[in-house]
Amino acid sequence: GIQVEQSPPDLILQEGANSTLRCNFSDSVNNLQWFHQNPWGQLINLFYIPSGTKQNGRLSATTVATERYSLLYISSSQTTDSGVYFCAVYPGANSKLTFGKGITLSVRP
Amino acid sequence: KAGVTQTPRYLIKTRGQQVTLSCSPISGHRSVSWYQQTPGQGLQFLFEYFSETQRNKGNFPGRFSGRQFSNSRSEMNVSTLELGDSALYLCASSLRLAGTGELFFGEGSRLTVL
Repeated sequence: GIQVEQSPPDLILQEGANSTLRCNFSDSVNNLQWFHQNPWGQLINLFYIPSGTKQNGRLSATTVATERYSLLYISSSQTTDSGVYFCAVYPGANSKLTFGKGITLSVRP
Repeated sequence: KAGVTQTPRYLIKTRGQQVTLSCSPISGHRSVSWYQQTPGQGLQFLFEYFSETQRNKGNFPGRFSGRQFSNSRSEMNVSTLELGDSALYLCASSLRLAGTGELFFGEGSRLTVL
């Protein structure tokens, strides 16, 4: 099956810093989403981004499908950005949504 | 618009018992998919239902089953519980099949098996 690798596995930032989270995948995909898991366990949908670039406030994401990677940018980080960030990919028909192992982000005040 | 609702939020069972978890999707969504999250295995796909039909199934034993009702609400059942079934169980709803549209997750049901 498809492999999804996220890097770095852990990230510690000072409040106000910027960061880039990466998601590599081993095969072509029809769908890619980024999620933030809050401390209570809920997965919050950040971006549905099979290709191209999207922005939502301090967050933006870019997926380059032909090169099999996606990037999530967090600017001016806040303590509330802490948590685990997952990317999930869907290779296509008759396949299943596959998650990466996640990136644990800690933003220090 | 109400989000995805999962019940119960927390539960404790003993080995050998069975458990039923419920998921009510966002109104109008016809796809419900289920995932198991554990520290060791991460997030793993269990199964997906769309219009009351199971569309896809992950690599889990037959003790894990599910169903979807005509109002799109879904239940999953785990029989003969094992210690390793302790996990956060998440369900997600989507307007279309899970891989072809945005997924919206519930808050999860945290199961502890003693």
